[in-house]
Amino acid sequence: GAVVSQHPSRVICKSGTSVKIECRSLDFQATTMFWYRQFPKKSLMLMATSNEGSKATYEQGVEKDKFLINHASLTLSTLTVTSAHPEDSSFYICSAEISYGAISVEQFFGPGTRLTVL
Amino acid sequence: AQSVSQHNHHVILSEAASLELGCNYSYGGTVNLFWYVQYPGQHLQLLLKYFSGDPLVKGIKGFEAEFIKSKFSFNLRKPSVQWSDTAEYFCAVNAGNTDKLIFGTGTRLQVFP
Repeated sequence: GAVVSQHPSRVICKSGTSVKIECRSLDFQATTMFWYRQFPKKSLMLMATSNEGSKATYEQGVEKDKFLINHASLTLSTLTVTSAHPEDSSFYICSAEISYGAISVEQFFGPGTRLTVL
Repeated sequence: AQSVSQHNHHVILSEAASLELGCNYSYGGTVNLFWYVQYPGQHLQLLLKYFSGDPLVKGIKGFEAEFIKSKFSFNLRKPSVQWSDTAEYFCAVNAGNTDKLIFGTGTRLQVFP
């Protein structure tokens, strides 16, 4: 159980276009999902927390108008990279949260989406 | 601000050698602790986690980790590594009052036959 999928797994786009990445929790409902960015040989950097039915919470330094997040249902969150530029090329990973109690939560990760902007 | 340190950036071992990867965090309150593994070309998988209780946690594939509160550490261990353990290992922490996971910089483990 607790499987998270992402689509597409890789995408190549031209500079200036927008790209949408989907994150789905396949066998559970997730009120909270997260979006990370992973640079080559680097760790995961949290971009934003996506809450179902409300606005996402962005980390400092992440442009909310560039990285649009929508969490319209308990099993789907989307990240749209608007007006993409080559510096946006990266590996984007989502996760979905399961809560075991008031302070015990666990995140399950998707396989990631490799974005290349030409 | 919370932070997680993994001091071993790149570890090279021969099969059957013992492994210990260090993880230290900076937060004084209640924490949840995790070790994730990322095999080449694959997504992050949970190795083990600590929420409360016995500070010695056993995970999958023979891994274990010990939470030492006084040292703010959660080191990962395996008594005998295999070639298939070659991967990137990430320590992650979230404070008890937040959902956010803070990741360490990762340790690349290479195991040679």
